[in-house]
Amino acid sequence: GESVGLHLPTLSVQEGDNSIINCAYSNSASDYFIWYKQESGKGPQFIIDIRSNMDKRQGQRVTVLLNKTVKHLSLQIAATQPGDSAVYFCAERFYGNKLVFGAGTILRVKS
Amino acid sequence: DTGVSQDPRHKITKRGQNVTFRCDPISEHNRLYWYRQTLGQGPEFLTYFQNEAQLEKSRLLSDRFSAERPKGSFSTLEIQRTEQGDSAMYLCASSQAQGAYEQYFGPGTRLTVT
Repeated sequence: GESVGLHLPTLSVQEGDNSIINCAYSNSASDYFIWYKQESGKGPQFIIDIRSNMDKRQGQRVTVLLNKTVKHLSLQIAATQPGDSAVYFCAERFYGNKLVFGAGTILRVKS
Repeated sequence: DTGVSQDPRHKITKRGQNVTFRCDPISEHNRLYWYRQTLGQGPEFLTYFQNEAQLEKSRLLSDRFSAERPKGSFSTLEIQRTEQGDSAMYLCASSQAQGAYEQYFGPGTRLTVT
């Protein structure tokens, strides 16, 4: 049978440290990007988004950076807490209204 | 709670049976989306409604799948003649009108086909 996260990259950080989660997106025409957090057994939870005419956007404890030259997106979490432990997905919109999701990264926070 | 709700949260069914799931979006959102998520993967788009009109369908949505949003509020997703490969989490999301792309997800319906 399948195991959750068997094929997902994992980032382990110490509580209080900063976390950086990376994502490579697929389409240079994408104009909107979004990060979601998903805890086990729950639906994805919106964290932060960014449009393609920006290269940085900050929220509460989170920052998203967009590098369109190399089609790279990153999520920075400041002062990581145990409650931040989850799977993080980036998603892109490049036509229509659907989001195309990346594979996800597991964040484990060690106390 | 004013978030997206889905019912049931879990469904176990035998292969060949039909199942129906319900999604209630955030009340002021006129766009509604269905996604499917298998273990270890990100959600995959299935279909999308604007009000009661179904505007986009993925090729993942075989002819055994049908979705409706008859009054532009709640939506149903029906799977006929379920197969073991249909086992997945079915997620519903909603968003506001044009220009607001962030989608808010419900808790999902976990389907297990035995």
